[in-house]
Amino acid sequence: DAGITQSPRHKVTETGTPVTLRCHQTENHRYMYWYRQDPGHGLRLIHYSYGVKDTDKGEVSDGYSVSRSKTEDFLLTLESATSSQTSVYFCAIAGLNYGYTFGSGTRLTVV
Amino acid sequence: KNEVEQSPQNLTAQEGEFITINCSYSVGISALHWLQQHPGGGIVSLFMLSSGKKKHGRLIATINIQEKHSSLHITASHPRDSAVYICAVEPGGGADGLTFGKGTHLIIQP
Repeated sequence: DAGITQSPRHKVTETGTPVTLRCHQTENHRYMYWYRQDPGHGLRLIHYSYGVKDTDKGEVSDGYSVSRSKTEDFLLTLESATSSQTSVYFCAIAGLNYGYTFGSGTRLTVV
Repeated sequence: KNEVEQSPQNLTAQEGEFITINCSYSVGISALHWLQQHPGGGIVSLFMLSSGKKKHGRLIATINIQEKHSSLHITASHPRDSAVYICAVEPGGGADGLTFGKGTHLIIQP
């Protein structure tokens, strides 16, 4: 009953390469979010979307871009990966008064 | 920016004990969420609260809007309750994402 899936689950990439993470939902929720989770910092918002082609920056958006061309898909792109972007990335969806549902996470390692 | 503080950061207890985790925040909110994360695992939503109290099984969550404080209680704790519990708040008037506490790492020993 996932309702939300992230891909890939794990990725190792080299410094300087572009990387795209995908979040796919089947719930038709309007709001989608990308967070990163790091020890000592907890979860922090990278970017979010409140509809197709409507996106906005979060707390830690530098070095990241997003796109949402369809309701069900929200893509996070690291334009040129750096070691500081090694993290676990979580996608989340939300509907008004429905709370949040989180994806299983993507563990990204930049070497 | 809302500051979300959780206490304690770490808690070890014996099976059967009553557990309380606290969360305080600095700015008015539209809702507060309690989340659970098992080691290496995903994040599961336990409660969304805007007032009062909610109960689900052995878990109880309360919120005091005036004092900007919430508590998560676990009754008759069990080793399977061992996880990180995260408090997160939604800003008033929008869906601009959550602000998270750093989590409480709970270990229940048999």
